[in-house]
Amino acid sequence: NAGVTQTPKFQVLKTGQSMTLQCAQDMNHNSMYWYRQDPGMGLRLIYYSASEGTTDKGEVPNGYNVSRLNKREFSLRLESAAPSQTSVYFCASSEWVTDTQYFGPGTRLTVL
Amino acid sequence: DAKTTQPNSMESNEEEPVHLPCNHSTISGTDYIHWYRQLPSQGPEYVIHGLTSNVNNRMASLAIAEDRKSSTLILHRATLRDAAVYYCILRDVTGSYDKVIFGPGTSLSVIP
Repeated sequence: NAGVTQTPKFQVLKTGQSMTLQCAQDMNHNSMYWYRQDPGMGLRLIYYSASEGTTDKGEVPNGYNVSRLNKREFSLRLESAAPSQTSVYFCASSEWVTDTQYFGPGTRLTVL
Repeated sequence: DAKTTQPNSMESNEEEPVHLPCNHSTISGTDYIHWYRQLPSQGPEYVIHGLTSNVNNRMASLAIAEDRKSSTLILHRATLRDAAVYYCILRDVTGSYDKVIFGPGTSLSVIP
């Protein structure tokens, strides 16, 4: 099992550009999440999907959109990147929202 | 909203026990206490969780106060590989996921 995979690992964008971060899990989990982690800070929840077909906002959803493409995949889109979105983005999954989360390796995004 | 407070940093000598404290004075009856750790340049990984009783697994032990307003993660013999940021978070067993707060955590340094 690969667990939770994320692509790309690194990305540099210019202000105003758009991009999609991809996440996939092979553990047949129902719930998936997107977090961001700024330097020296904890993780903040952007969006989550409790089950296939549903998505909900977390603590810091502004500037992002998500798609739960199927049970395996949960993507995060930045429509118009801003320097404030420079961060490390982590995807995670769990059986249900109350369960242990398994995290991907992260995507390091820099917006110039 | 239930949240946790942890010391910013702690140090331990290698092969000695480490006790990492967490305060959660506003914990509710349906909140599980979860601990994760994050090694440098990696995503967080699950360590242990509990509700009321003390818990042990191959990685660590979790001691929960009788009033559940605090808990302690115990690493029985610290190794250099245990140097990481440790997060204590609360997960609502009823499935409420308005926000899951990963604070700054405790940065553990292990001295050889």
